[in-house]
Amino acid sequence: QSALTQPASVSGSPGQSITISCTGTSSDVGGYNYVTWHQQHPGQAPKLLIYDVNNRPSGVSNRFSGSKSGNTASLTISGLQAEDEADYYCSSYTSSNTYVFGIGTKVTVL
Amino acid sequence: QVQLVQSGAEVTEPGASVKVSCKASGYTFSGYDIYWVRQAPGQGLEWMGGINVGNGNTGYSAKFRGRVTITRDTSASTAYMELTSLRSEDTAVYYCARQRYFDFWGQGTLVTVSS
Repeated sequence: QSALTQPASVSGSPGQSITISCTGTSSDVGGYNYVTWHQQHPGQAPKLLIYDVNNRPSGVSNRFSGSKSGNTASLTISGLQAEDEADYYCSSYTSSNTYVFGIGTKVTVL
Repeated sequence: QVQLVQSGAEVTEPGASVKVSCKASGYTFSGYDIYWVRQAPGQGLEWMGGINVGNGNTGYSAKFRGRVTITRDTSASTAYMELTSLRSEDTAVYYCARQRYFDFWGQGTLVTVSS
């Protein structure tokens, strides 16, 4: 199972919106609405931001939103803030009854 | 509150095995699957496998099948991940996480494989 494809890096200025893509296949992202997004700051465990494509757990800012079209899922961060500078990972359930993560995207706030 | 507390760092030699524990609290342990994810230094997250805590059924990534075993002790609210035939490339932080969308994570356990 190959890792899902994400851009290596995305940057934006404070207050702007950015979007991170996550591309898989019809056997994972495209086949199931089981896409998650996690944020990871250096030295910390990942934190769940989005589950089941577009659902936010309680306590997660509404500046984070998720969507999916075909084999590509996306995470949008609106109103970019300095604290959003981190690594972001998507993941998906697969037809093999396993899970696969994306390669990760480093977000830089300019 | 939900907590997953993992065992401490391990230093081991190539060819050896390591067993990492993950103790859950703050919720009904048997009601949620536990998964294991690892992260090599400077690298991304990698899914290893998981266990249905209720019935003990397991599933593993093809990459680790045959080398990894995930178990649980419901009386101790603890899940375990054992990795055998260790090599230097297995040096990583190993995390446990709860349920299929990984909503809560352990603090991570650094496993260093070095001769």
